[in-house]
Amino acid sequence: DQQVKQNSPSLSVQEGRISILNCDYTNSMFDYFLWYKKYPAEGPTFLISISSIKDKNEDGRFTVFLNKSAKHLSLHIVPSQPGDSAVYFCAASGAGTASKLTFGTGTRLQVML
Amino acid sequence: DGGITQSPKYLFRKEGQNVTLSCEQNLNHDAMYWYRQDPGQGLRLIYYSQIVNDFQKGDIAEGYSVSREKKESFPLTVTSAQKNPTAFYLCATSLSDTLHTQYFGPGTRLTVL
Repeated sequence: DQQVKQNSPSLSVQEGRISILNCDYTNSMFDYFLWYKKYPAEGPTFLISISSIKDKNEDGRFTVFLNKSAKHLSLHIVPSQPGDSAVYFCAASGAGTASKLTFGTGTRLQVML
Repeated sequence: DGGITQSPKYLFRKEGQNVTLSCEQNLNHDAMYWYRQDPGQGLRLIYYSQIVNDFQKGDIAEGYSVSREKKESFPLTVTSAQKNPTAFYLCATSLSDTLHTQYFGPGTRLTVL
């Protein structure tokens, strides 16, 4: 049972344009969501998070939007840069799961010159 | 230099041998976690520890064992009972079990021949 889903395995975007990565979840108990960036053979790097009491959180070029009614979150990267090319994972945790994170399967972003 | 250390980066073992992966942190974080990543999949939780001398099974604990004798260290043993041990293993830490942002080490690639 995949509780966190990233339905797009890959995404290609031109440099300077917006990248939008999507994530859906099924567990209504999730109340905290995170995005990680991962290069091959390296550990994931934390990017940005959002609590369920908010619907938007910004950090520089990265913005995460949360739509609780649709159980959907998205990560916007503006403007996209070649160094953003990586695999992006969304993760969720919530009441009753202590500190356990549930991860999606990842979306590979390629930013083209 | 603060951070999470996993060594070695690459590890090879013969089938039927137990192998222990190290994870050390000097971030003074209370909680530590072990995940494995397989191609095309998200990260799956093996074991986690919220405090010294205590740990809990994650979603895929069978064939693995851990110990948490010191706050700084959370070694993972991959036993011969683990049916598919070849994978990328990631250690993570968080400040406490109530703060859900986890920070990851560089990972160890284990190949069982």
